[in-house]
Amino acid sequence: RKEVEQDPGPFNVPEGATVAFNCTYSNSASQSFFWYRQDCRKEPKLLMSVYSSGNEDGRFTAQLNRASQYISLLIRDSKLSDSATYLCVVNPPGSARQLTFGSGTQLTVLP
Amino acid sequence: NAGVTQTPKFQVLKTGQSMTLQCAQDMNHNSMYWYRQDPGMGLRLIYYSASEGTTDKGEVPNGYNVSRLNKREFSLRLESAAPSQTSVYFCASSEIRSNQPQHFGDGTRLSIL
Repeated sequence: RKEVEQDPGPFNVPEGATVAFNCTYSNSASQSFFWYRQDCRKEPKLLMSVYSSGNEDGRFTAQLNRASQYISLLIRDSKLSDSATYLCVVNPPGSARQLTFGSGTQLTVLP
Repeated sequence: NAGVTQTPKFQVLKTGQSMTLQCAQDMNHNSMYWYRQDPGMGLRLIYYSASEGTTDKGEVPNGYNVSRLNKREFSLRLESAAPSQTSVYFCASSEIRSNQPQHFGDGTRLSIL
């Protein structure tokens, strides 16, 4: 089983739609969680950290479910500029600040 | 604000050639990392340096060496390039605290013929 698993997609949604991605992680003692965004042929960029109580940043909402070991990202009112690959990232315990990256979920927002 | 700077941006090598990828960060971060990214796969850690003076192997270290030259700079060397090392290489840096994310350079696209 992969340490971090994501549905690779692609997700093709119309502008204005709400879309949700899920990610599961294998190590129940993982400490930190993030969502990164990666545009085609570009570097990954931090989208948001994921906190235990859930957190929101504008149209983006992240949730953490430790009991089920999954993380979610909800994007409301999708924009064309949201088209990218979204990477789920986990910091397992005892990893000296190493991060484990999921393979990513590809999103295309259509006009 | 530069952040993490990688050089070169692109490189084509022949099998057996050697080269060094350079990375520098200006955020005063303690930790630095080298990843490779291949189509359909996530980022895979090659080597990391938790702090100046230390380096450790990641998931895929074979065929690579690293040097943490000082706090700012972390280089990746391919001693004898192989076609399997064709990839996009990313350098990243972070604070040492566990809840801090990593910041990435814009990558080096390396092709080995």
